[in-house]
Amino acid sequence: ETGVTQSPTHLIKTRGQQVTLRCSSQSGHNTVSWYQQALGQGPQFIFQYYREEENGRGNFPPRFSGLQFPNYSSELNVNALELDDSALYLCASEPGQGHHTGELFFGEGSRLTVL
Amino acid sequence: AQSVTQLDSQVPVFEEAPVELRCNYSSSVSVYLFWYVQYPNQGLQLLLKYLSGSTLVKGINGFEAEFNKSQTSFHLRKPSVHISDTAEYFCAVSPRDDKIIFGKGTRLHILP
Repeated sequence: ETGVTQSPTHLIKTRGQQVTLRCSSQSGHNTVSWYQQALGQGPQFIFQYYREEENGRGNFPPRFSGLQFPNYSSELNVNALELDDSALYLCASEPGQGHHTGELFFGEGSRLTVL
Repeated sequence: AQSVTQLDSQVPVFEEAPVELRCNYSSSVSVYLFWYVQYPNQGLQLLLKYLSGSTLVKGINGFEAEFNKSQTSFHLRKPSVHISDTAEYFCAVSPRDDKIIFGKGTRLHILP
């Protein structure tokens, strides 16, 4: 059974650029959520995807968008990067059938630095 | 709205000593409660969860937590810590079938 994998692990961008982060969910998990973890903070919910549709969204602007693919993998896209977007981005999967169970399986994250 | 407060940002404790990490929450509805652990340079891992039933919940690595509804608390305890317990610990709350909300975390430092 493979766990949640994320890529890239680290990346550096400049303000105004766009970034795409990728996530493969744990085997058998069809629900994927993305979280932003700023330095010294807990993870903040960005959005959840189930059956390739957004299934709930946190307090993030529209320039944060996502996709889920038929194999349940997912992408997080951030446009017009700002300095405050610098953070660890965590992907989490769960076998929740689109429900929030809270029992999340996290990847190791993608650390984004915006200069 | 729900919120989670972790009262200590850092907790130093000697190896083999007991530890308690404090967590309080606020919610107007019934919630699920969780503790997650984040080891250095890793993602979060579920330590234990309270969904319903017994208020004393046992988790992995010898940790346990007690749900106290009257005090809206869910403190995490371990009777004897090991150097490998060095990590950041996150308390989290989730209203039934709604997104999970994390606290800011407590960094546990194990002193030799």
